[in-house]
Amino acid sequence: DTGVSQNPRHKITKRGQNVTFRCDPISEHNRLYWYRQTLGQGPEFLTYFQNEAQLEKSRLLSDRFSAERPKGSFSTLEIQRTEQGDSAMYLCASRGWPETQYFGPGTRLLVL
Amino acid sequence: TQLLEQSPQFLSIQEGENLTVYCNSSSVFSSLQWYRQEPGEGPVLLVTVVTGGEVKKLKRLTFQFGDARKDSSLHITAAQPGDTGLYLCAGAGRYNFNKFYFGSGTKLNVKP
Repeated sequence: DTGVSQNPRHKITKRGQNVTFRCDPISEHNRLYWYRQTLGQGPEFLTYFQNEAQLEKSRLLSDRFSAERPKGSFSTLEIQRTEQGDSAMYLCASRGWPETQYFGPGTRLLVL
Repeated sequence: TQLLEQSPQFLSIQEGENLTVYCNSSSVFSSLQWYRQEPGEGPVLLVTVVTGGEVKKLKRLTFQFGDARKDSSLHITAAQPGDTGLYLCAGAGRYNFNKFYFGSGTKLNVKP
């Protein structure tokens, strides 16, 4: 399969725990995005990588959130000390040239 | 506030009817994309429009990008139950075309 993959698909955690999500983009795409989507809303931009460089971060991304893309391939999004308000769908997308952006299936997080 | 406003928010129609979904903004975008999203899944790209005034047709779906590149519409002819889903528009910034802004979506239900 050559699409964007995300793991895990679902995560249930208790408030205060740390969670980490992984995204594997389409191999030839050098740009990778993380979004958060809550029920009834469109995706909200969180952060963006070009190769391994994190070029932009949203104000939504508090200091409890960190994202990495160490070798310019897969990326991880970590949330420390989770809060109930972090419950959402976390979407990863990769982008080729020029404008096409393809999404993964998402990781649905529930913080109890 | 959403940079992109979609209307209507909800639409419930009978199979065979036609419909139009609108995506409006006061901002100019370098390109605009339409996605369809099913519950629990990531958005799936339908089309990218880049040129003001551009019209693209994909079978029963017709997409139009406004002349000023501030708005777009999606028209579906003879809707089918398989068209049911959340339709999202996303604009790439005029000067920061690496960042996408999403509308809140139009939830379409096509009844058999």
